[in-house]
Amino acid sequence: EVQLLESGGDLVQPGGSLRLSCAVSGFTFSSYGMHWIRQAPGKGLEWVSAINGGGDSTYYADSVKGRFTISRDNSKNTLFLQMNSLRAEDTAVYYCAKRLSGNHPFDYWGQGTLVTVSS
Amino acid sequence: EIVLTQFPGTLSLSPGERATLSCRASQSVSSSNLAWYQQKPGQAPRLLIYAASSRATGIPDRFSGGGSGTDFTLTISRLEPEDFAVYYCQHYVTLPLTFGGGTKVEIK
Repeated sequence: EVQLLESGGDLVQPGGSLRLSCAVSGFTFSSYGMHWIRQAPGKGLEWVSAINGGGDSTYYADSVKGRFTISRDNSKNTLFLQMNSLRAEDTAVYYCAKRLSGNHPFDYWGQGTLVTVSS
Repeated sequence: EIVLTQFPGTLSLSPGERATLSCRASQSVSSSNLAWYQQKPGQAPRLLIYAASSRATGIPDRFSGGGSGTDFTLTISRLEPEDFAVYYCQHYVTLPLTFGGGTKVEIK
């Protein structure tokens, strides 16, 4: 059974940092690109970042470029999102998600972890 | 970036009624690249439709998708109580991946 489990969400002050993790099981992690998607309270979905299976290609939304870093540890089946210089507008539930390939939608999502940026 | 606009924002219907949700793209989108998701409060989105009209595994046949070019639709033929939720369309091939703003289907 495919499972994705996010962790690391917390309350953080503006300008602060946070590292999210997504532990996966049930599939060959290194074979799949992985994504982070976020959802601000009461709002829609926003794609944040992606990384390929080998971890050597990364992609970011303009809204987080230069502040967030996606990475992965294939030996530990874990995806990460390092978030620096956090802003109030980064407050959201952050989901990790997988898909079969670049030509497929997201077939599995985690349950999400809440990041709140506030003083 | 492909901008997806969903309408209406809210659809108020009764169980048993037909729901038609729309998604309009800012530029022509290959039908192979358009998906629909359902999201209930406190839950992650669930894939309903991919390639504009193909149902994902386990999705009931009362859900159907269609359209091409810039205009796509999700139809729920007869609303069941569990179908009241928010629905999102998504373009899923060219980065940045984008989602529509969502349509809430609420009980009238």
